[in-house]
Amino acid sequence: LAKTTQPISMDSYEGQEVNITCSHNNIATNDYITWYQQFPSQGPRFIIQGYKTKVTNEVASLFIPADRKSSTLSLPRVSLSDTAVYYCLVGDPTGGGNKLTFGTGTQLKVEL
Amino acid sequence: DAGITQSPRHKVTETGTPVTLRCHQTENHRYMYWYRQDPGHGLRLIHYSYGVKDTDKGEVSDGYSVSRSKTEDFLLTLESATSSQTSVYFCAISGSQGYGANVLTFGAGSRLTVL
Repeated sequence: LAKTTQPISMDSYEGQEVNITCSHNNIATNDYITWYQQFPSQGPRFIIQGYKTKVTNEVASLFIPADRKSSTLSLPRVSLSDTAVYYCLVGDPTGGGNKLTFGTGTQLKVEL
Repeated sequence: DAGITQSPRHKVTETGTPVTLRCHQTENHRYMYWYRQDPGHGLRLIHYSYGVKDTDKGEVSDGYSVSRSKTEDFLLTLESATSSQTSVYFCAISGSQGYGANVLTFGAGSRLTVL
């Protein structure tokens, strides 16, 4: 089974940049790396996806090194509303890429 | 979320009774998933489907069965509910392989309490 490892929690202050790293040593050649955000009492929602190098959208950047065994989600200038749990997800090679298992996620707390 | 609905949203039942949760999608997506979420455990995959009548087990499938008789519906059944199955259940869908294969759209969740 593909396994992801993330820090359990992180604290930050408004206006700072936050970087959350995920380790995924068993990532398969065809797997993409996807990050989700989850607020209490809601389902996770998609933030960003990448395969290699760097991807940027309107809310975040995703950095993936050449060996693809880790990835870093970067949130620029966080606000209180970014307090949430963040999950990285990679496809499970044993399931043909569709046995999608999440890690424990990172609880980000943003303070004033 | 638009295109995916779960029912019921809340249910309280007693130990030993059967329970069925329904996930309905209007996106014509191929892949559907059931997850459970408990405090301190994140999201755990129960079962998933890769097409009509094609399903497979996830990490925590014991005590659960699923069925998918048509593209739009994925049913999760607890044959005999236990208190350890008290949880929030999320359904998710995804549409393709390649880029976008791991982009899941989640339902609003079904909160199940087994007394």
